[in-house]
Amino acid sequence: EADIYQTPRYLVIGTGKKITLECSQTMGHDKMYWYQQDPGMELHLIHYSYGVNSTEKGDLSSESTVSRIRTEHFPLTLESARPSHTSQYLCASSEYYTGVLETQYFGPGTRLLVL
Amino acid sequence: SQQGEEDPQALSIQEGENATMNCSYKTSINNLQWYRQNSGRGLVHLILIRSNEREKHSGRLRVTLDTSKKSSSLLITASRAADTASYFCATDAIVQGGYQKVTFGTGTKLQVIP
Repeated sequence: EADIYQTPRYLVIGTGKKITLECSQTMGHDKMYWYQQDPGMELHLIHYSYGVNSTEKGDLSSESTVSRIRTEHFPLTLESARPSHTSQYLCASSEYYTGVLETQYFGPGTRLLVL
Repeated sequence: SQQGEEDPQALSIQEGENATMNCSYKTSINNLQWYRQNSGRGLVHLILIRSNEREKHSGRLRVTLDTSKKSSSLLITASRAADTASYFCATDAIVQGGYQKVTFGTGTKLQVIP
């Protein structure tokens, strides 16, 4: 069982609200990721981080923002939620190697529904 | 578009049968991994195969890699109802700055009927 946690697990919220999805890992991993996944569909990388104070945008454009002030914490924020943000958000972490495809450890996900 | 594409998109088999799913990718890779995702959950790593390997086994899982065809297959033998899940392949690519980026495929939904 991976030591990576996401809260909340489910969130139903109204349009225009600001939300923060939390992700924490206790494995000391340098790299962390956020993916967006619609039910039964592929994963889309929206943000990643190589370490503290490092954040990068992923393949899928997202209106969300992330921060990495501490190694273990990688929160995702939506300033103004919209129905189009309804999805499942998966957080993952991995050790930082070069030349080797590192295993990613995933959290249980947050299901977001914006009304 | 996605680096990895799995087929079939969905597969339904009887318990005890073997399940085979395939992953094709577009650019050269260093390594390829397979992950499993139970409904509504995060992904769990199953197996990694390096670009210089052709076949790898782990329990009831057998993975092959054909770099000339840019494809990989995952075989689950003697399937069980608990194997019901979506299965994703993941490939790596070197992006700007020499960093490594992992891309997940489109996934195969496997249903094992008891």
